[in-house]
Amino acid sequence: AQSVTQLGSHVSVSEGALVLLRCNYSSSVPPYLFWYVQYPNQGLQLLLKYTSAATLVKGINGFEAEFKKSETSFHLTKPSAHMSDAAEYFCAVRYSGGGADGLTFGKGTHLIIQP
Amino acid sequence: NAGVTQTPKFRVLKTGQSMTLLCAQDMNHEYMYWYRQDPGMGLRLIHYSVGEGTTAKGEVPDGYNVSRLKKQNFLLGLESAAPSQTSVYFCASSYDRGRHTGELFFGEGSRLTVL
Repeated sequence: AQSVTQLGSHVSVSEGALVLLRCNYSSSVPPYLFWYVQYPNQGLQLLLKYTSAATLVKGINGFEAEFKKSETSFHLTKPSAHMSDAAEYFCAVRYSGGGADGLTFGKGTHLIIQP
Repeated sequence: NAGVTQTPKFRVLKTGQSMTLLCAQDMNHEYMYWYRQDPGMGLRLIHYSVGEGTTAKGEVPDGYNVSRLKKQNFLLGLESAAPSQTSVYFCASSYDRGRHTGELFFGEGSRLTVL
């Protein structure tokens, strides 16, 4: 079964520091990969997605992620954290040959920004 | 453009009561989904639908029923609520497989508490 592992349920960084949120997936089939962000009391908003085009994907709000097949990883980064980045981040996977049964989500990483 | 709308946004039930959550989307999407979100568990798929009149079980379907009588609506029912169903419920929708790469569009969530 497909699975997604997010390392670290909580990540704390200082404002202006590098943000790195880790995501690994299990698969021998090339997947579609996503990062979603959830602000308090809101739904999930798509940050970026990988769909087998460029391995470095740029998203909204200055975030980007790199697909590394050899490491089965899709880590999310942002060069300089802003207070407004504080939120819950979810990595999700869907296999290109899969059916309609949605995305499989990781358990989420809560990003804390220290002033 | 409203996107995905969920009603109600908050509800408190007593054990054994029944209720229905309504999801409506105005994007003409074929696929619709119900997820539940619990702390530390990420999002787990309850049921999904690939079109009007069809439904299928997801990862955690027990205790829930769904119906898709109209393409734009997807209802989630709890026949006899239990405290374990206290959660935040998210509805999502997407295009069919031929026109998309798996991105889901989410509603803002419905917070259910079962006492």
